[in-house]
Formats: sequence, structure tokens, C-alpha cells
Amino acid sequence: AQSVTQLDSQVPVFEEAPVELRCNYSSSVSVYLFWYVQYPNQGLQLLLKYLSGSTLVKGINGFEAEFNKSQTSFHLRKPSVHISDTAEYFCAVSDEAVKAAGNKLTFGGGTRVLVKP
Amino acid sequence: EAGVAQSPRYKIIEKRQSVAFWCNPISGHATLYWYQQILGQGPKLLIQFQNNGVVDDSQLPKDRFSAERLKGVDSTLKIQPAKLEDSAVYLCASSPPRFAGRETQYFGPGTRLLVL
Repeated sequence: AQSVTQLDSQVPVFEEAPVELRCNYSSSVSVYLFWYVQYPNQGLQLLLKYLSGSTLVKGINGFEAEFNKSQTSFHLRKPSVHISDTAEYFCAVSDEAVKAAGNKLTFGGGTRVLVKP
Repeated sequence: EAGVAQSPRYKIIEKRQSVAFWCNPISGHATLYWYQQILGQGPKLLIQFQNNGVVDDSQLPKDRFSAERLKGVDSTLKIQPAKLEDSAVYLCASSPPRFAGRETQYFGPGTRLLVL
């Protein structure tokens, strides 16, 4: 069984300040890792994903995340946030062994980011 | 390309009534997922289809929830009868059939259900 813990339920941050959202996971098998963003009243949009290779992954909108296998973490960062980054952010994992039918995602509880002017 | 489509976007019903949600995945996507997202929580998988076959429905409350994907394209999720605790956003997602890219799911806008 897999589980994902997002350590902060809410993160207030001032505009142009950096932000880090923490994600830790537990799994008995190797995993793929994802960060999704959900704007109010919308579905989930993929920010970035780690499948293999470099542990530093760059995504859309200036976000990046670093995979740390020894600490089973996949923290998300942005050096300078904008008001438009106000949203909820979800970390998710799936089995690395991609099945023919695709793999289900296990999500964390989400981190709500509020960017203040 | 068009994204995942869902309807309706919002639905309000009374407990014990029935409700149905519709999803049309991205064209060519063989795998379709339904997730339930309760307020303040992350999405939880309800059911996964590969074409018109069920791959995983272990988290689907089968006494009241049902889902089908008869022609391997669009899908319907039904709740009958609804309970107060079914109030949530129901998200549909799909993933591509090719090996490279199959791990990534694309989500629709969701259907927000309120059961009174």
C-alpha cells in the first residue's frame, strides 16, 4: 500500500517570496511522483512529474521539485510566487511498474497556498 | 486537443435521490478513472476502466455506486440512493494508451455534488 503525506495544510506567503511545499511518501515499491495544482472550481492540472533520471524536475509556471529517495520526499519549490499561484497543490504517487491499463494515483491531502500582496 | 469533458458541473439533490455524472475522455485515451474528492482531502480513486473493462473498483461502494463505459469511450457514474456523505467533487481522468505517457493522467473540471 502507498501513502502520501503533505506536511502543511496551508501555506501563506507574500508575493515575490519563495515557497516550498513538502511531500513525503511511503511505498514498498519504486514509484513515480507527481505534483498537481487545483485552482478554485477547476480540475487538477499537472505541474511536473518525476519518472527517472535527474532528481531535480522542472515544471510549468516556474515550479520545480526534487526527488530524494533516501528521505522518500518530493518537495515542490518556486523561487518567487505570484498572486495567480494561489491554489491547492497535491502531491501524488503511482507504482513505477506501469501496467498495461495504467496506474492509479494515490494523493496527499493537499496544501492550500495563499499568496498575499 | 480537447481535454476531458464532464457534465454537469454542479448538482444539488436530496438524500435518497439518484444522480448520474458523465465523462468524455481525451480522444484515444484507453484508460479512464473516476475519483471522489471530499472537501479538504485529496482525490481518492473509485474505479478505473481500460477500454470498456473494469481494472480496479476496490474502493467503489458498490451498494450505491455504479459505473459503466459501454463503448470504451465515454463513461457514466451513478449514485443511487445518495447519502449526505456523498457530497464531494467527482473527477474524471484519462491516460494515453501508448507505453510512454501512460503514467500521466489528465483531469476534467469535475462535478460538484451537494446532497441535502
